[in-house]
Amino acid sequence: AQKITQTQPGMFVQEKEAVTLDCTYDTSDPSYGLFWYKQPSSGEMIFLIYQGSYDQQNATEGRYSLNFQKARKSANLVISASQLGDSAMYFCAILNSNSGYALNFGKGTSLLVTP
Amino acid sequence: GAGVSQSPSNKVTEKGKDVELRCDPISGHTALYWYRQSLGQGLEFLIYFQGNSAPDKSGLPSDRFSAERTGGSVSTLTIQRTQQEDSAVYLCASTSTAGMTLHFGNGTRLTVT
Repeated sequence: AQKITQTQPGMFVQEKEAVTLDCTYDTSDPSYGLFWYKQPSSGEMIFLIYQGSYDQQNATEGRYSLNFQKARKSANLVISASQLGDSAMYFCAILNSNSGYALNFGKGTSLLVTP
Repeated sequence: GAGVSQSPSNKVTEKGKDVELRCDPISGHTALYWYRQSLGQGLEFLIYFQGNSAPDKSGLPSDRFSAERTGGSVSTLTIQRTQQEDSAVYLCASTSTAGMTLHFGNGTRLTVT
């Protein structure tokens, strides 16, 4: 079974600084996908970035990048130049091919960006 | 185009009553998922529909939970004889191809008193 672990329940970062949110995973599938979602206080789930297990390059989307270390089974999210609007819950998820491609989510990391 | 629509946005019910939660996916999306998010927790997978295939019900926590998807579009999640531990936000998501990015609705916040 696939499993996601996010060990940081809460993080603080100052505006304009970079921050790394940790995510480790466990899977027996040779092919898998990793996702990061943002959930602001409004409750909506916003897709941020995707990394395929066979992708040669680390995924990047604007200020978001994914530090993918396959041998260590980690997929950390890096947010550069943090903004106040980045304050939210961040969830890492892995694609579960054994369950209709449902995503298995971690428990999330709460990020607070301070002025 | 419209996103995933869920109704009601909030539902308060008494313990023991049945509730129905509705999800209207993005038009043309063939895959539909239900998740549950308890307070301060991550998302728990409940059930998955793909086209006309039999649904994957492996995440349903008990036989009080059921879901259907009519005509390959709208889905209804039903919880019978609700319990206080059923209180959570129920999120629906859809995608055009299984395994690609999920588009989530804003959820239904269920409170069982």
